[in-house]
Amino acid sequence: AQSVTQLDSQVPVFEEAPVELRCNYSSSVSVYLFWYVQYPNQGLQLLLKYLSGSTLVKGINGFEAEFNKSQTSFHLRKPSVHISDTAEYFCAASGNTGKLIFGQGTTLQVKP
Amino acid sequence: GAGVSQSPSNKVTEKGKDVELRCDPISGHTALYWYRQRLGQGLEFLIYFQGNSAPDKSGLPSDRFSAERTGESVSTLTIQRTQQEDSAVYLCASRRTDSEQFFGPGTRLTVL
Repeated sequence: AQSVTQLDSQVPVFEEAPVELRCNYSSSVSVYLFWYVQYPNQGLQLLLKYLSGSTLVKGINGFEAEFNKSQTSFHLRKPSVHISDTAEYFCAASGNTGKLIFGQGTTLQVKP
Repeated sequence: GAGVSQSPSNKVTEKGKDVELRCDPISGHTALYWYRQRLGQGLEFLIYFQGNSAPDKSGLPSDRFSAERTGESVSTLTIQRTQQEDSAVYLCASRRTDSEQFFGPGTRLTVL
């Protein structure tokens, strides 16, 4: 069975600093990987996805993630964060059915 | 409409009552998913519909939970004899084959 682990429940960071949100998955079958963002009092929004091809995936708002099959990781990165990036970030994995298995979420708190 | 819609947006009910939550997927999306997000936790998969196939009910937490979908249109999630631990935001998502999931705004259920 698939599982997704987000290693950090909270990540505080200063504005304009780089950030990495960690995600590991376990699956014995083909896997598709996603990062979603949830801003306060808003719905889920897709940041980026890995389906196949290049292991470096670029998403919206300057975020990117790298699929690492040998380490079963899909860490999310941004070189310089903004106050408006403060939100909850969810890593998720799915197989061919599209059913998403989510991690527990990481709260990114950007401080001025 | 352009996106997935859910109703009601908020529902407050008393313990022991039944509730029905509605999801209108994006037109043409063959797959529909229900998830639950309890306070401070990640999203849990509940149930998945794909066309006319039998639904994947593997995520339903108890037999008090059921869901229906008519063809490729509206879905309803019913919770019978609600308990306080059912309090959560219930999210619906839909997708075409080989696309990402698009999430609705959710229904916030509070069981008193």
